[in-house]
Amino acid sequence: DTGVSQNPRHKITKRGQNVTFRCDPISEHNRLYWYRQTLGQGPEFLTYFQNEAQLEKSRLLSDRFSAERPKGSFSTLEIQRTEQGDSAMYLCASSQPGQGNYEQYFGPGTRLTVT
Amino acid sequence: AQSVTQPDIHITVSEGASLELRCNYSYGATPYLFWYVQSPGQGLQLLLKYFSGDTLVQGIKGFEAEFKRSQSSFNLRKPSVHWSDAAEYFCAVGATDTGNQFYFGTGTSLTVIP
Repeated sequence: DTGVSQNPRHKITKRGQNVTFRCDPISEHNRLYWYRQTLGQGPEFLTYFQNEAQLEKSRLLSDRFSAERPKGSFSTLEIQRTEQGDSAMYLCASSQPGQGNYEQYFGPGTRLTVT
Repeated sequence: AQSVTQPDIHITVSEGASLELRCNYSYGATPYLFWYVQSPGQGLQLLLKYFSGDTLVQGIKGFEAEFKRSQSSFNLRKPSVHWSDAAEYFCAVGATDTGNQFYFGTGTSLTVIP
């Protein structure tokens, strides 16, 4: 078990460009979450998947954001027409709820800087 | 609405001293509670969790936390702090009635002085 991985670890982009991040969860985990963390704050929930189905989206997830998990394994988070306010750490987490396991395992994050 | 409050933004302790980080939550149903630690530029590592049962839970790195329902608190403690404990600590509540997304506090930054 190699844990949750995220790529890239860092991304610098110019305002208006599109960016895509990838998350590979722990292999047997059927739930995958995306969070955003800005400087000095705790992570904020964006969206989550149960297998390939996106079951909930936060109102933080504007129309410029889209997430997919096409085969119920890895997930991508795309931000279109980036804005400076999108600069943050984007964290992915996975879990396998049931049998008393509700903890989420987090990846190292992708730090996005929009210039 | 669910929320988590960590009243201490920053705490400084001497190495070897005891530590208590405060966490208060607001949640209508039975909460699942967690403490995570984050080193600079890194993801979050789970320290300990509470789902049910014994209200005093033990975690990794010598940490423990006590769930007090009457006070809506889940404070983190360590009897003797090590310099390597310097990091950001986050308390979180899991929403058991929906998708179990976590609600995090704003974190407490811990500085350890020799």
